[in-house]
Amino acid sequence: AQSVTQPDIHITVSEGASLELRCNYSYGATPYLFWYVQSPGQGLQLLLKYFSGDTLVQGIKGFEAEFKRSQSSFNLRKPSVHWSDAAEYFCAVVFTGTASKLTFGTGTRLQVTL
Amino acid sequence: NAGVTQTPKFQVLKTGQSMTLQCAQDMNHNSMYWYRQDPGMGLRLIYYSASEGTTDKGEVPNGYNVSRLNKREFSLRLESAAPSQTSVYFCASSGQGTYGYTFGSGTRLTVV
Repeated sequence: AQSVTQPDIHITVSEGASLELRCNYSYGATPYLFWYVQSPGQGLQLLLKYFSGDTLVQGIKGFEAEFKRSQSSFNLRKPSVHWSDAAEYFCAVVFTGTASKLTFGTGTRLQVTL
Repeated sequence: NAGVTQTPKFQVLKTGQSMTLQCAQDMNHNSMYWYRQDPGMGLRLIYYSASEGTTDKGEVPNGYNVSRLNKREFSLRLESAAPSQTSVYFCASSGQGTYGYTFGSGTRLTVV
């Protein structure tokens, strides 16, 4: 079955430290891949997306993600976290042939300590 | 440019009451979606409309109905609300071939 897994429910990092949020998907072909961020009480904002081409994609707010086909992964990274990055992060996938329906992971809540 | 507008932002219902959540987009997008968000479960698709005049069930459609009124508007109706429908509801739209969803700001619904 097609699925998206974010294995880390909650992550705490210190301000200025690097960050990596994990995302894996289960699917035979290459899907379209997205990362969204949600601040408390807010809607979802697109950070970045991958359709094809260069497997390292740059997004907004200094985030990047790398698609690794062999690992069925699309991990989100940031070299130096700011306190304002505290939020919930969702990996999402469009599995081709599914009428553009986004399937979300369960999310990773990021806490940033000063 | 408002993007995707949802109303209301907050609502409290009693069990058995009905209500309609409204969603409108001004980006000329073909596809529209309704998701619900529950703690620890991410967002789950309730219904979607790939184009004007069509609607289809998503992952969790039970207890809901939808109407694609025109290209701009996609409403979600709860005919007889249940406490299990307490959630945050998000409407989204996407343009053809872009897969770039735009989300509304959400409706926080509590059923008591």
